[in-house]
Amino acid sequence: AQTVTQSQPEMSVQEAETVTLSCTYDTSESDYYLFWYKQPPSRQMILVIRQEAYKQQNATENRFSVNFQKAAKSFSLKISDSQLGDAAMYFCAYRSLEYGNKLVFGAGTILRVKS
Amino acid sequence: GAVVSQHPSRVICKSGTSVKIECRSLDFQATTMFWYRQFPKQSLMLMATSNEGSKATYEQGVEKDKFLINHASLTLSTLTVTSAHPEDSSFYICSAKDRTEAFFGQGTRLTVV
Repeated sequence: AQTVTQSQPEMSVQEAETVTLSCTYDTSESDYYLFWYKQPPSRQMILVIRQEAYKQQNATENRFSVNFQKAAKSFSLKISDSQLGDAAMYFCAYRSLEYGNKLVFGAGTILRVKS
Repeated sequence: GAVVSQHPSRVICKSGTSVKIECRSLDFQATTMFWYRQFPKQSLMLMATSNEGSKATYEQGVEKDKFLINHASLTLSTLTVTSAHPEDSSFYICSAKDRTEAFFGQGTRLTVV
């Protein structure tokens, strides 16, 4: 079974600075999707960024980018120019293309942004 | 992106009663929907996968008789918590998948008193 590990329960960043959230996963599959979701205090899950495993190029969405290391099974999220609105719980997630397309979530990282 | 609407957002019920939570995909057809449970400051735990027109697939340890799931149409799945008890109090989130990604409802905070 696939597992997702987020080793940082909490992280803090100063406004306008850059922060990196870590995520590792374990799988025997060669093709899959990886995601970062944001859950603000409203608890609405918001997709931040998606990476297809077959793509070598790292995904980027405005201030958010990933460092996808397939061999190392690592998928970190970098947030540049951090804003107060970035404060939230961030979940790394894995989606298998075989086992019912289920999402497997990591434990989450609480990101605090200091003004 | 696509919109998934979940209702109610909050519900309080008495022990022993049942409560139904609805999950609708508003602008796409979802053959598969997922139901999650989330405890405070914890991750989402998948409870079951709901497939339109067939029985739901429950994760290990989830009581299928307590958490009844119905996916009668391509846009609606319901989760019914039967004979609710205080330990069922939690945050429940649904998700609907289109071709490429999953979209989440707003969640339902269930409190059983």
